[in-house]
Amino acid sequence: NAGVMQNPRHLVRRRGQEARLRCSPMKGHSHVYWYRQLPEEGLKFMVYLQKENIIDESGMPKERFSAEFPKEGPSILRIQQVVRGDSAAYFCASSPETFYEQYFGPGTRLTVT
Amino acid sequence: AQSVAQPEDQVNVAEGNPLTVKCTYSVSGNPYLFWYVQYPNRGLQFLLKYITGDNLVKGSYGFEAEFNKSQTSFHLKKPSALVSDSALYFCAVRANHSGYALNFGKGTSLLVTP
Repeated sequence: NAGVMQNPRHLVRRRGQEARLRCSPMKGHSHVYWYRQLPEEGLKFMVYLQKENIIDESGMPKERFSAEFPKEGPSILRIQQVVRGDSAAYFCASSPETFYEQYFGPGTRLTVT
Repeated sequence: AQSVAQPEDQVNVAEGNPLTVKCTYSVSGNPYLFWYVQYPNRGLQFLLKYITGDNLVKGSYGFEAEFNKSQTSFHLKKPSALVSDSALYFCAVRANHSGYALNFGKGTSLLVTP
């Protein structure tokens, strides 16, 4: 059973470009969570999605950030007009049900130059 | 509001000695508590969880943690440390009645020396 998959593993974008981060949950998992890890900090929750629904986006910045989890295909975290402060590791996690433990992917390390 | 504190940035222990990584939490209601480990440039790996039941929880790789409600603590322990245990350890909490997010501590770097 493959784990949570994220791609790309490393992404470099210039200021003002768009970044698209992809996450495929573990087989059988329908709950997806996105977290951001800034240097020297722990993980901060961004958004929780189920298929075709955003359940909780209380941790998402109000502007430039969006997320989706379509009926078919991976979950996408999209960052428009990236700025240097967006440089971080972005982790996706999945779980089979809401209150089970979350299983994390290897992360996407975004660098904004 | 829910929060987690990991009071030690780094813990050093000699191989073969017992190790403890500390975690205290603050949450309204009953907590769900988790420990994860992160190796360099890798994602987080689940170690163990406390939901309900026995206060002593056993997890992967010989780790265990003890839930102490009166002290609001959930310290991670291992009787005999291995060099390969050297990594970054995160404690996380979620209130059982609200939200879906895990609230993580800042992490504790564990260094096990030969």
